[in-house]
Amino acid sequence: AQKITQTQPGMFVQEKEAVTLDCTYDTSDPSYGLFWYKQPSSGEMIFLIYQGSYDQQNATEGRYSLNFQKARKSANLVISASQLGDSAMYFCAMRGLSYSGAGSYQLTFGKGTKLSVIP
Amino acid sequence: GAVVSQHPSWVICKSGTSVKIECRSLDFQATTMFWYRQFPKQSLMLMATSNEGSKATYEQGVEKDKFLINHASLTLSTLTVTSAHPEDSSFYICSASGRLADTQYFGPGTRLTVL
Repeated sequence: AQKITQTQPGMFVQEKEAVTLDCTYDTSDPSYGLFWYKQPSSGEMIFLIYQGSYDQQNATEGRYSLNFQKARKSANLVISASQLGDSAMYFCAMRGLSYSGAGSYQLTFGKGTKLSVIP
Repeated sequence: GAVVSQHPSWVICKSGTSVKIECRSLDFQATTMFWYRQFPKQSLMLMATSNEGSKATYEQGVEKDKFLINHASLTLSTLTVTSAHPEDSSFYICSASGRLADTQYFGPGTRLTVL
C-alpha cells in the first residue's frame, strides 16, 4: 500500500521569502512518481511539479523545486520568493505501479498543507 | 498544460433528485478519467476510475448504483449522483490523463449542495 504524509497542517511565510513544505511517502513499488498540486480557495487542482523515482536530478519548475531524498523517502516542495498568490492548500501525491488500465495510474494524496503568505 | 472542464461549477438540489456532472478534456484525448470527492478541509478521496468504453472501477465503500459513471468518449465522462441526500453534499473533482501521459490534469470541480 502507498502512503503520503504531510505533517504540516498550516504554514506561514513572509512575502518574498522561501518556504519548504514537507512530504514523506511510503511504498514498496520500485518505480513511482511524486507530484505536488496547488489548490486555491476556488477549488481547482493546479499541477506544479513532478519527480520520477529514477530521476537523477531534483525537479524544478520556475519558483518551485522538489527536494527529493530517496533514501529518506521525502519529497519536499520548495517555493522561492513567495508571493501573495501562493496562499493556498498544497497537496503531495504519489503515483504507483498499481494502475487503472490503459497506461494511467492512480494517485494517492496526502492531507495537504495550508500555506499563508504574509505581506 | 492540458485543460479539463467541469460543468456545472456548482449545483443546489432537493433531496431525492439526481444530479449529473460532466467532465471534459478540451485539448487532449483522455484515455482515463478519475472522479474524486473532497469534504471541507480534507484531502481528495478517489471514488472511481473510468476508462473510455468500459465500466468504471469503484473504490471500496463507494456505491456504484448511487454514483453512476459513464465514459462514452475520449473527451467526456459523466458522474450522476442518483437520489441525492444531504450527506452527498461535497466538492466533486474529476481528472483526466492521456494514453502517454503520467500526469493527471484536474477539472475546476463541482460543488454539490443537497437540501
